[in-house]
Amino acid sequence: GNSVTQMEGPVTLSEEAFLTINCTYTATGYPSLFWYVQYPGEGLQLLLKATKADDKGSNKGFEATYRKETTSFHLEKGSVQVSDSAVYFCALRVKGTALIFGKGTTLSVSS
Amino acid sequence: DAGITQSPRHKVTETGTPVTLRCHQTENHRYMYWYRQDPGHGLRLIHYSYGVKDTDKGEVSDGYSVSRSKTEDFLLTLESATSSQTSVYFCAISERTGGEDTQYFGPGTRLTVL
Repeated sequence: GNSVTQMEGPVTLSEEAFLTINCTYTATGYPSLFWYVQYPGEGLQLLLKATKADDKGSNKGFEATYRKETTSFHLEKGSVQVSDSAVYFCALRVKGTALIFGKGTTLSVSS
Repeated sequence: DAGITQSPRHKVTETGTPVTLRCHQTENHRYMYWYRQDPGHGLRLIHYSYGVKDTDKGEVSDGYSVSRSKTEDFLLTLESATSSQTSVYFCAISERTGGEDTQYFGPGTRLTVL
């Protein structure tokens, strides 16, 4: 079946540190991959996406590359800010099926 | 924000009572979804709709029913609420851009069943 595995948090960083949140997936077919972010007390917002192998999604300084050979879609940011503190969800969707989420990774950034 | 609103935003109820949550969208999207979010589980799909009066079950549909009598409204009903249904509920719509479907989420409803 289809599934997403994210690194467990919480991830605690100092401002301006480099961020990586690992995400790997298992899928039948060719999934599209997504990162969503949830700020405290809010709903999920789409952060970035990639629809085919080797695509790179990017937004707000965050990047993730669709790696078919390693079935991964790791989220990275070169210099995090306090305002990046949130829960990050990796998700996949195979055409014709529902969106499948990972369990989420909490990021806490201190100044 | 894809024009999605949810009501109520917070609700406290007692075990055994019926509860209805409403999702309203203003942009005529065909697909709508209900998820629940629980610690350690991420988001799990409860039910979804692919048109007026067309609905189907998701991963965790037991104890829930849905209705969609108008394009803009998707209702989630707990016929007899239980404490295990204490959760945050999110509605989502699916929007197709560039040949790809992307889901956008409402602000959520926090439900507490005592």
